[in-house]
Amino acid sequence: SQQGEEDPQALSIQEGENATMNCSYKTSINNLQWYRQNSGRGLVHLILIRSNEREKHSGRLRVTLDTSKKSSSLLITASRAADTASYFCATPDRDDKIIFGKGTRLHILP
Amino acid sequence: NAGVTQTPKFQVLKTGQSMTLQCAQDMNHNSMYWYRQDPGMGLRLIYYSASEGTTDKGEVPNGYNVSRLNKREFSLRLESAAPSQTSVYFCASTRGGLANTDTQYFGPGTRLTVL
Repeated sequence: SQQGEEDPQALSIQEGENATMNCSYKTSINNLQWYRQNSGRGLVHLILIRSNEREKHSGRLRVTLDTSKKSSSLLITASRAADTASYFCATPDRDDKIIFGKGTRLHILP
Repeated sequence: NAGVTQTPKFQVLKTGQSMTLQCAQDMNHNSMYWYRQDPGMGLRLIYYSASEGTTDKGEVPNGYNVSRLNKREFSLRLESAAPSQTSVYFCASTRGGLANTDTQYFGPGTRLTVL
């Protein structure tokens, strides 16, 4: 089954800086989702972007999708300590269930 | 609304013991899911239920059984626990269709250790 792969695996930045993480996938999709997981908690849905969309915003989040390169990026602007978490992309498989990547661990330094 | 709740939060089992993980949602969602998450890994789907009365296998169903007791509740059973089943288990639900187009709401997880 196909799977999104996030890059980098881990990222540390100073508070206030922007954080960018990427997701690559293998086969054509009709949408892609991003989720956040705080330590020891369940996942929280952040945003869904459809294949006919190139960019989508939600507060300080900006997601792009490039279907020709089979990749997506998640940008968090003006990072805060509360943004420290793992971020996962999720893509549909051929049976229309979703497959999660291994995640990017983001650490915001004070 | 409590959202998605899971019990227990923590559990330690010996190899060969059985147990049932409970999950309930109060959002009137149709679909429910069980995942496991191993260290440094994403979530892997164990079983799902697209609607009350139906269940289907996910990516890693071996060693598990599920029951969709009613629309609210979806339980996961380990009949004979093995150390390889040491993991964090998450239950999730979606309002309508499968999770590829719908927002999943996750429970807080059950941390299971099998000795």
